[in-house]
Amino acid sequence: SQKIEQNSEALNIQEGKTATLTCNYTNYSPAYLQWYRQDPGRGPVFLLLIRENEKEKRKERLKVTFDTTLKQSLFHITASQPADSATYLCALLNNDMRFGAGTRLTVKP
Amino acid sequence: DAGVTQSPTHLIKTRGQQVTLRCSPKSGHDTVSWYQQALGQGPQFIFQYYEEEERQRGNFPDRFSGHQFPNYSSELNVNALLLGDSALYLCASSSDGFQETQYFGPGTRLLVL
Repeated sequence: SQKIEQNSEALNIQEGKTATLTCNYTNYSPAYLQWYRQDPGRGPVFLLLIRENEKEKRKERLKVTFDTTLKQSLFHITASQPADSATYLCALLNNDMRFGAGTRLTVKP
Repeated sequence: DAGVTQSPTHLIKTRGQQVTLRCSPKSGHDTVSWYQQALGQGPQFIFQYYEEEERQRGNFPDRFSGHQFPNYSSELNVNALLLGDSALYLCASSSDGFQETQYFGPGTRLLVL
């Protein structure tokens, strides 16, 4: 069956460090992969989209990689700040859209 | 420009009842998708509406139905509510299905007692 796994439920890092979140998938061939941020009690907010033929995408302090051979995407936040604390969701798109359970990131001052 | 809006924000129902949730898409968007998000889980795709028709559907029973109006707003109806239907229901709009950025609303928190 199709499965999407995000590396851990929670990740704690120190301010200024780089946060790296992982999204692995099995039995799926996504055409696109998206990353979202979700704050408690709010809807997800779109951050980045990467297509299957793209290896890397950047936006300000954010970087996403997509390895269709490893079936994995990595999401990096450089120079992390306490305001980056949130749950980050990966979503795979083909004929439908499937989300991972998310990783809760806490950036400590 | 208003983003995606949903109503109501919270709702309490009892088992067996029916509920209708509403969504207004972001201006300029014609596609509306509905998701169910249980606590601690990612959103699960229910269905997507485009041009007033259900274009795609996730793995949800027929108790979940929807509608899209000519102004692109949408409703989600759930019949014969079960305790397990308690969740945050999210609406997302886009201009071209899943291939463009989806904008999510704040959600409706449904509690079934």
